Amino acid sequence: GENVEQHPSTLSVQEGDSAVIKCTYSDSASNYFPWYKQELGKRPQLIIDIRSNVGEKKDQRIAVTLNKTAKHFSLHITETQPEDSAVYFCAASIRSNDYKLSFGAGTTVTVRA
Amino acid sequence: EAGVTQFPSHSVIEKGQTVTLRCDPISGHDNLYWYRRVMGKEIKFLLHFVKESKQDESGMPNNRFLAERTGGTYSTLKVQPAELEDSGVYFCASSHQAEAFFGQGTRLTVV
Repeated sequence: GENVEQHPSTLSVQEGDSAVIKCTYSDSASNYFPWYKQELGKRPQLIIDIRSNVGEKKDQRIAVTLNKTAKHFSLHITETQPEDSAVYFCAASIRSNDYKLSFGAGTTVTVRA
Repeated sequence: EAGVTQFPSHSVIEKGQTVTLRCDPISGHDNLYWYRRVMGKEIKFLLHFVKESKQDESGMPNNRFLAERTGGTYSTLKVQPAELEDSGVYFCASSHQAEAFFGQGTRLTVV
């Protein structure tokens, strides 16, 4: 099955700095890569996703890049704000498998004011 | 639109007891997934329903876990008898296509 590894497990950044989280996946058939953000006590929510036919996608302060050859993808948060503090999960899935998600272990991001 | 709802939000039970978790997916979502996060580790897949059928239950830990989705609407996940290692947060998610919507989870503590 799919194996997704995520690094780092914790990340502390100064407000205004950038944060980068990296994930690798094992199944070359994976073609959908969402990122979920889970704030304390709340449900995981999709913040951005990318499909295998594109290499980069951006939405305001967040961006995701995908390298299919190397089987890794990354989340970039620029100009971090205190409300960016949360646990972030990467995931990979295969459309032909009804998009069953395989998750990374999560990264706890703390933005210091 | 109502989101995915899970009941209860917290459950504390003794080892050997039975607990049933419930998930109400978003109306119209055929796909329903159960996941579990144990002690800060990754969110691990348990099983996947398409309507009322189990599409994939490869992640179910053992036969103490039983999931049902009668009528293809809400789903239940029963743990019987519960063991200490079953403690964790159980998430349910539903999807129509790619994007999965999560419930808030049930925090299960087995003591």
